[in-house]
Amino acid sequence: DAGVIQSPRHEVTEMGQEVTLRCKPISGHDYLFWYRQTMMRGLELLIYFNNNVPIDDSGMPEDRFSAKMPNASFSTLKIQPSEPRDSAVYFCASSFSSWANTEAFFGQGTRLTVV
Amino acid sequence: EDKVVQSPLSLVVHEGDTVTLNCSYEVTNFRSLLWYKQEKKAPTFLFMLTSSGIEKKSGRLSSILDKKELFSILNITATQTGDSAVYLCAGTNFGNEKLTFGTGTRLTIIP
Repeated sequence: DAGVIQSPRHEVTEMGQEVTLRCKPISGHDYLFWYRQTMMRGLELLIYFNNNVPIDDSGMPEDRFSAKMPNASFSTLKIQPSEPRDSAVYFCASSFSSWANTEAFFGQGTRLTVV
Repeated sequence: EDKVVQSPLSLVVHEGDTVTLNCSYEVTNFRSLLWYKQEKKAPTFLFMLTSSGIEKKSGRLSSILDKKELFSILNITATQTGDSAVYLCAGTNFGNEKLTFGTGTRLTIIP
């Protein structure tokens, strides 16, 4: 398996524009997580899905953020409208639930810059 | 709210030194403590600890968990420049697969 795949790797956009980040989890994994990483706040969980269903979106900062998982192999994180304070690295991760293993595998991240 | 705190925030040592990184946690229905290494890109998995007092070891890296005092340490012996990275710890709880991360320790190894 190629691991968790995110696109784009880098995104530079103007304030007010819509941004869509994409993620393909590892095949067979039933959990998918979206994290945001900044120097100030570290890795913050935004939302996670189990079997394509959103379980906890309490980390989503505002209504400008939305996430979907239409099927087991694809998820999107959308920011509309984007603001400069949204600039961060956004990571997608996936894991397989079992009684013993909670290791999550991370994608390479999308570095978002909003100017 | 679950909380994970790491110390020190940053550490600079010379090659060959031994370092100890600390992680304390307050996680409801605690299940496991994970250590990740993050270089330039994605965090990569190092260890998962679920039981107190049992050391996990991989080469020069080792880690142990104390569930009574709610902390874990990551030791790196004979450090090398390739060990320079941010080291993250995360707690998980029963009932979900969510990881709560600390802010990390930035380790810099000087040749």
